[in-house]
Amino acid sequence: QVQLQESGPGLVKPSQTLSLTCNVSGDSVSGGSYFWSWLRQPAGKGLEWIGRIYAGGSTKYNPSLESRVTMSVDTSNNQFSLRLTSVTAADTAVYYCAREVEDIVVVPGAVGPYRWFDPWGQGTRVTVSS
Amino acid sequence: DIQMTQSPSSLSASVGDRVTITCRASESIRTYLNWFQQKPGKAPKLLIYAASHLQGGVPSRFSGSGSETDFTLTISSLQPEDFATYYCQQSYSTFHFTFGPGTKVEIK
Repeated sequence: QVQLQESGPGLVKPSQTLSLTCNVSGDSVSGGSYFWSWLRQPAGKGLEWIGRIYAGGSTKYNPSLESRVTMSVDTSNNQFSLRLTSVTAADTAVYYCAREVEDIVVVPGAVGPYRWFDPWGQGTRVTVSS
Repeated sequence: DIQMTQSPSSLSASVGDRVTITCRASESIRTYLNWFQQKPGKAPKLLIYAASHLQGGVPSRFSGSGSETDFTLTISSLQPEDFATYYCQQSYSTFHFTFGPGTKVEIK
């Protein structure tokens, strides 16, 4: 059974860098048709995709956060990480890591593989405050 | 960006009711649409992928339909454990996944 667990500081000062790690068990970050993603959810609000990384190191970030985001993968420790620079109060949220599955689904009109997030980590709350 | 909207934003229903939630995309996403259930203090859980495919282990009372811009999630007979917030998410634009704002299903 695949499990993901986020870890990192729960409090970050404004203008500093938020750093989180997601530890993966039951699967290898370096194998399979998977990407590894970060998402976040401000309190009482909806979900926002932050970006993804593939085992080989290729990344794709949400355009609205791209200038501040860096993701990396550590295959030796089977984990991947998120760095978000120059944080403000608007970055206060629960941060989730998730496995992004890519698979072929035989559906009329499909133009390529489908993707979905499963499973998710339990989430870690990060507050940006001085 | 592909914008996702959901209606209603919240609803009250009773156990045993049939519940339908609608999700609309700002442009065609074919069937690249997923549905998630989120309970308070918990991570979202995948229910449906590719618009209508039930994730393993999810009860058959959940079903999804639709294509292009209009999609629905239906719960055929609402159970006590189904009271939660439901989100749709488009996976058509792999450069920028986006979610709907959520629909909260409450007990009447």
